[in-house]
Amino acid sequence: GENVEQHPSTLSVQEGDSAVIKCTYSDSASNYFPWYKQELGKGPQLIIDIRSNVGEKKDQRIAVTLNKTAKHFSLHITETQPEDSAVYFCAAIRTGTASKLTFGTGTRLQVTL
Amino acid sequence: DTAVSQTPKYLVTQMGNDKSIKCEQNLGHDTMYWYKQDSKKFLKIMFSYNNKELIINETVPNRFSPKSPDKAHLNLHINSLELGDSAVYFCASSPLGSYTGELFFGEGSRLTVL
Repeated sequence: GENVEQHPSTLSVQEGDSAVIKCTYSDSASNYFPWYKQELGKGPQLIIDIRSNVGEKKDQRIAVTLNKTAKHFSLHITETQPEDSAVYFCAAIRTGTASKLTFGTGTRLQVTL
Repeated sequence: DTAVSQTPKYLVTQMGNDKSIKCEQNLGHDTMYWYKQDSKKFLKIMFSYNNKELIINETVPNRFSPKSPDKAHLNLHINSLELGDSAVYFCASSPLGSYTGELFFGEGSRLTVL
């Protein structure tokens, strides 16, 4: 089955700095890579995703890159703000019948003033 | 207008008891899931239902029994609770099942077994 590794487990940045979270996956057939943000006491929420036919995607201050050859993908947050503090999860799936979304182990991001 | 709602939000109970968590979604999605998040924040799928039919059943003890009376509801019943069952349980739904990785999560039900 799919195995997703995520680093770092914790990340502390100053407000305004950039944050980068990296993930690797094992199943070369995986073709969809979402990122979820989980705020304290809440459920994870999809913030951005990328499909295997795309190398990079951007949405305002967040961007995701995908390197299919190396089987890794990254989340980039620029100009971080205190409200970016949360746990971030990467995930991977080979879309299709009865496929399972496999999550990374999570990164706790702390944005300090 | 909550999209995926779970009850109860908190549940404290003794070992050996039986408890249920209820989940409802008003998004019109066909697929619903139960995920377990342990104290280290690992998210692991337990079950997946598509239009009331069980399609994913991970290696979960058979003390856990999901029930989907209709496609908008997926409940989780747990028999003979053990200390290791303490976790946050998330219900989720998705519009296209396994054809997308886009899940909509509820706010979680924190189960504490004493």
